Amino acid sequence: TQLLEQSPQFLSIQEGENLTVYCNSSSVFSSLQWYRQEPGEGPVLLVTVVTGGEVKKLKRLTFQFGDARKDSSLHITAAQPGDTGLYLCAGTLRMDSSYKLIFGSGTRLLVRP
Amino acid sequence: GAGVSQTPSNKVTEKGKYVELRCDPISGHTALYWYRQSLGQGPEFLIYFQGTGAADDSGLPNDRFFAVRPEGSVSTLKIQRTERGDSAVYLCASSLGLFDYNEQFFGPGTRLTVL
Repeated sequence: TQLLEQSPQFLSIQEGENLTVYCNSSSVFSSLQWYRQEPGEGPVLLVTVVTGGEVKKLKRLTFQFGDARKDSSLHITAAQPGDTGLYLCAGTLRMDSSYKLIFGSGTRLLVRP
Repeated sequence: GAGVSQTPSNKVTEKGKYVELRCDPISGHTALYWYRQSLGQGPEFLIYFQGTGAADDSGLPNDRFFAVRPEGSVSTLKIQRTERGDSAVYLCASSLGLFDYNEQFFGPGTRLTVL
């Protein structure tokens, strides 16, 4: 059972369209991160959200952390072919005396010119 | 400066063999993490080090997997008696300090294929 459910798993859209990717869990996270991963490379951090209800913007990307810190969304406005890639959400769980970074299964985005 | 590097980039081995995967973290980063990413999945936590000690190894799937970081810098992930199910991309990451608000920087990964 995936602790962090990401949807959709795959998204193919036309350049200029908007899209939203969702990340949901029944667990409360101390923070949530969004990464982008290109083929043959490791994930690269896009943003970290910490406070429930927090909204962060990165150019055409808008990230929101749910009020209860259990879910998050990534919205891309006017998608471009350069946005193509694998988007991963990851939540930080405090367990005993350590932290764990739990990743979702990813959303593979294809933006067609 | 240089990012996290991992060697080899690709490793093909036969079932039952022993393999070692190496990770060179960013200089000065005290925390180092290993993840495994299977096809179509997100990375799955294996183990992390703070300095030389394994702070949490609860993600290692079984006792065939072991990791060391003897001098608090380079780390080696060791897999004994490899099985086909071990095939995946093994990612290493490092950060200035422990988890949470410290950004983890990932290496490009080692793609392990067990035939």
